[in-house]
Amino acid sequence: AQKITQTQPGMFVQEKEAVTLDCTYDTSDPSYGLFWYKQPSSGEMIFLIYQGSYDQQNATEGRYSLNFQKARKSANLVISASQLGDSAMYFCAMRERVTGGGNKLTFGTGTQLKVEL
Amino acid sequence: GAGVSQSPSNKVTEKGKDVELRCDPISGHTALYWYRQRLGQGLEFLIYFQGNSAPDKSGLPSDRFSAERTGESVSTLTIQRTQQEDSAVYLCASSLTMDSDSPLHFGNGTRLTVT
Repeated sequence: AQKITQTQPGMFVQEKEAVTLDCTYDTSDPSYGLFWYKQPSSGEMIFLIYQGSYDQQNATEGRYSLNFQKARKSANLVISASQLGDSAMYFCAMRERVTGGGNKLTFGTGTQLKVEL
Repeated sequence: GAGVSQSPSNKVTEKGKDVELRCDPISGHTALYWYRQRLGQGLEFLIYFQGNSAPDKSGLPSDRFSAERTGESVSTLTIQRTQQEDSAVYLCASSLTMDSDSPLHFGNGTRLTVT
């Protein structure tokens, strides 16, 4: 069975520092996609960044980058220059195939990030 | 519309009543997903639609749950004879395609409280 593991239930970081949120995954599919979402206290789910299993380079999107280590099956999110507005729950997710030829996102349990002054 | 729209945003219902939750996906998005998020927990997959078809219904928690989609647009999630354990936020998401690199765009959810 495919699954996503986020081992850090909570993280603290000081403003302007960088922080790494861990994510490991387990799949037997050679083709998959990895996503990170941010969920502020308002509850909306905000797409941050995507990494494809065949991508040669680590994905970057502004202050977000993904440290993709395929052999270790890890896809850690790095947030540089943290801001107070980064305080939120962060979910790692993997796209997996489902019956009928479609796919779905399977989510980890999330990491609650708190940015402090 | 600009994003995924869900209604109502909040719903309080008595145990045993039926509820209907609505999702308007982003125009042109072929894939539509329903997730459930209990308080303080991650997202639990319920069902997805490819066009108007739902090939995999195995994520639905019980036969009290059903969903449909019409016109490759609006979807409704119906919960019959609601129970207190159904209390959660129900999130709808759509994606442009079923390709693995097509991100899901989420609505703001419907917060369901069963009393």
